[in-house]
Amino acid sequence: QSALAQPASVSESPGQSITISCTGTSSDVGGYNHVSWYQQHPGKAPKLMIWGVSNRPSGVSGRFSGSKSGNTASLTISGLQAEDEADYYCSSFTTSSTWVFGGGTKLTVL
Amino acid sequence: QVQLVESGGGVVQPGRSLRISCAASGFTFTRHAMHWVRQAPGKGLEWVAVITYDGRNKWHADSVKGRFTISRDDSKNTLYLQMNSLRPEDTAVYYCGRDGSGWWAVDYWGQGTLVTVSS
Repeated sequence: QSALAQPASVSESPGQSITISCTGTSSDVGGYNHVSWYQQHPGKAPKLMIWGVSNRPSGVSGRFSGSKSGNTASLTISGLQAEDEADYYCSSFTTSSTWVFGGGTKLTVL
Repeated sequence: QVQLVESGGGVVQPGRSLRISCAASGFTFTRHAMHWVRQAPGKGLEWVAVITYDGRNKWHADSVKGRFTISRDDSKNTLYLQMNSLRPEDTAVYYCGRDGSGWWAVDYWGQGTLVTVSS
């Protein structure tokens, strides 16, 4: 199972919006609405930000939203804040009943 | 509150075995599937294995299939990962995670345990 494709890095200024893409295949992202997104700060465990393509767990800011079109899922962060600077990973359930992660995207808030 | 505490990591020689554990508390363990996810130093997340809430089904990543086995002991609220024939490329922080009921995602993570495979 190949990793999902994410941009290695993105950057934007505080207050702006940014979208991170996650491209898979019809065997994972395109085949199921089981795409999730995780935020990871250096030295910390990952934190779930989005599940089921577009659902936010309790306590996650409404500035985070998710969507999907075909084999590509997206995470959008609006009103960027310094604390959003972190690594972001997408993940999807697959036809093999396994999960696969993306390679990760480093977000820099300029 | 939900707590997941991994233990058992350390330095092990290539070809040897190691079992790591994850003690769960603060929720009904038997209602949730559980995952292992690893992260090599300076690298991204890699999914390793999952076991269903009742322990009847388990799946492993191709990279560890035939060498690693996930299991659970519901009487102890503990998740395990038995790792055999370890390779240097298995060096990573190993996280256990709870699958949110019906979420198909890891909603709670432990802090991880470091496994280093080196001679």
